[in-house]
Amino acid sequence: KAGVTQTPRYLIKTRGQQVTLSCSPISGHRSVSWYQQTPGQGLQFLFEYFSETQRNKGNFPGRFSGRQFSNSRSEMNVSTLELGDSALYLCASSTGSGNTIYFGEGSWLTVV
Amino acid sequence: GEDVEQSLFLSVREGDSSVINCTYTDSSSTYLYWYKQEPGAGLQLLTYIFSNMDMKQDQRLTVLLNKKDKHLSLRIADTQTGDSAIYFCAESIENTGKLIFGQGTTLQVKP
Repeated sequence: KAGVTQTPRYLIKTRGQQVTLSCSPISGHRSVSWYQQTPGQGLQFLFEYFSETQRNKGNFPGRFSGRQFSNSRSEMNVSTLELGDSALYLCASSTGSGNTIYFGEGSWLTVV
Repeated sequence: GEDVEQSLFLSVREGDSSVINCTYTDSSSTYLYWYKQEPGAGLQLLTYIFSNMDMKQDQRLTVLLNKKDKHLSLRIADTQTGDSAIYFCAESIENTGKLIFGQGTTLQVKP
């Protein structure tokens, strides 16, 4: 059974640009969540999607957005990148009704 | 509020047991999790426990939950050098699809 797949794994962007990250959940999972990991702030919740609907959102500015497609794949977008957006972005997959939550390997974003 | 606290560092000798502790504040937690993160990698789910249980054992891993004190621990028996990593405790907040993570405990295993 394939795990959670995130692409791209590494990317470098310039301040002011935008970026789109992709996540394919485990087959049959309908919930996808996104987290940002930085050395200073640790792991912080961005948002969660279930069956194409955003169910919950963390405390991030509107530059951070996401969506989920009918096949449960999800994308997150960050517009007008700032240096502080440099982080590991992790996607999590679950059935949406509790217990097991699996993470992907993450996308490392560096903003220069 | 929602908060999860962990000690930052633990050093043990190979073959010893390791115990990593965690405290949380939200009473509406449904599940509590332990994840492992190796350098440059994502989070690997080690184990989880439902909030109405007090213990769960899975091979070398034992999770203890004291719901009254909101205290969670992970015991790793016969710790190996391959267990060296950062361990994160996390609580799921009921009806939000959201995990609240601790700061992570770096486990160093000395040969």
